[in-house]
Amino acid sequence: AQKITQTQPGMFVQEKEAVTLDCTYDTSDPSYGLFWYKQPSSGEMIFLIYQGSYDQQNATEGRYSLNFQKARKSANLVISASQLGDSAMYFCAMRPDNTNAGKSTFGDGTTLTVKP
Amino acid sequence: DTEVTQTPKHLVMGMTNKKSLKCEQHMGHRAMYWYKQKAKKPPELMFVYSYEKLSINESVPSRFSPECPNSSLLNLHLHALQPEDSALYLCASSLRLAGGRGETQYFGPGTRLLVL
Repeated sequence: AQKITQTQPGMFVQEKEAVTLDCTYDTSDPSYGLFWYKQPSSGEMIFLIYQGSYDQQNATEGRYSLNFQKARKSANLVISASQLGDSAMYFCAMRPDNTNAGKSTFGDGTTLTVKP
Repeated sequence: DTEVTQTPKHLVMGMTNKKSLKCEQHMGHRAMYWYKQKAKKPPELMFVYSYEKLSINESVPSRFSPECPNSSLLNLHLHALQPEDSALYLCASSLRLAGGRGETQYFGPGTRLLVL
């Protein structure tokens, strides 16, 4: 069984500062992908960043970077230079590369509020 | 272009109605998904299609009936729904079902369904 844990139900950050959203996971699959999605109040889930379990380097996409620590089973999202438009719910998700392919496990999400 | 479109945006239906949700993508993706999401909760997987064949059915009640007429189109037929089925229904697509970055799901804006 797979499990994603996001321990921060809500986070606040000042505009232009960096923020880290925590994500830990549990899986027995040797190969998997880790994803972060942003969901504004409008409802659409927006893909932010992907990290493969065998990737040697941490993924980066613009202001988003993923702090991947495989031994600790953590995949924290770092948002640099926060903007007001970053206020949203953020979900961490994992997918195995095996017979359960297609089944993503999502965390409960973290609501981020960026203060002006 | 990473666009998935969904219609309608909003839907109100009675418990005896029959309605359909539509999802379309033109990214050449061969895997398509239906999710149900309640407010402030993570999305729950309902169905997965891979190469137009139903790959995963997460024990969804038969009042929800998926259909994949072609590789670009995914429908969800609704009949005799219950008030507890009121939720945001999200469609997603990915290049393939498994294998690294190609598993990345791109979501549509969702249909907000209210069952009276």
